[in-house]
Amino acid sequence: EPEVTQTPSHQVTQMGQEVILRCVPISNHLYFYWYRQILGQKVEFLVSFYNNEISEKSEIFDDQFSVERPDGSNFTLKIRSTKLEDSAMYFCASTSLGNEQYFGPGTRLTVT
Amino acid sequence: AQTVTQSQPEMSVQEAETVTLSCTYDTSESNYYLFWYKQPPSRQMILVIRQEAYKQQNATENRFSVNFQKAAKSFSLKISDSQLGDTAMYFCAFNSGGGSQGNLIFGKGTKLSVKP
Repeated sequence: EPEVTQTPSHQVTQMGQEVILRCVPISNHLYFYWYRQILGQKVEFLVSFYNNEISEKSEIFDDQFSVERPDGSNFTLKIRSTKLEDSAMYFCASTSLGNEQYFGPGTRLTVT
Repeated sequence: AQTVTQSQPEMSVQEAETVTLSCTYDTSESNYYLFWYKQPPSRQMILVIRQEAYKQQNATENRFSVNFQKAAKSFSLKISDSQLGDTAMYFCAFNSGGGSQGNLIFGKGTKLSVKP
């Protein structure tokens, strides 16, 4: 069964460094999302992406964040200058036209 | 703005018994979608069940079923014959009926422990 994959599973970085989180959505899906979950809290929407552009973003998704689909398979989230409060689990999700969003296993980001 | 509320931070159930997790939501939309996601200790988000607001029939998936009360804006999850593998966080989520580009709005979750 096709699944969303994410790399790396765990990323440790120093405050102020740039990180890129990678996702490979399910191949025939058209809509892509990033969510984050701070430890012990609920999952929060960051951004959605369709037809090579951002379709919606939350207030969390400020100028430090960017997304890209550099080729036909990868979908990336970049954080330009990480802060301690960016430490969280980051989930990528994708969907076709059925409204169910399928999540990847997540990347745990630790900012020290 | 849409909100999702899960009023039970933690619940426990004996193996083989039935448990119901509560979820309420607030929206002015008439068409939307509701979901339950399971998050085991691995932290993977797994879709358990979905419900379209325009469907009156409650969704079922094997041991999982929902009680969808549209007028009350309530969407509870019933797990029958609970198994140890059901131990997880359960998140209720809402998606407006604008199609697949709508983002999911999650509740804070209910931590379910199934005891042997």
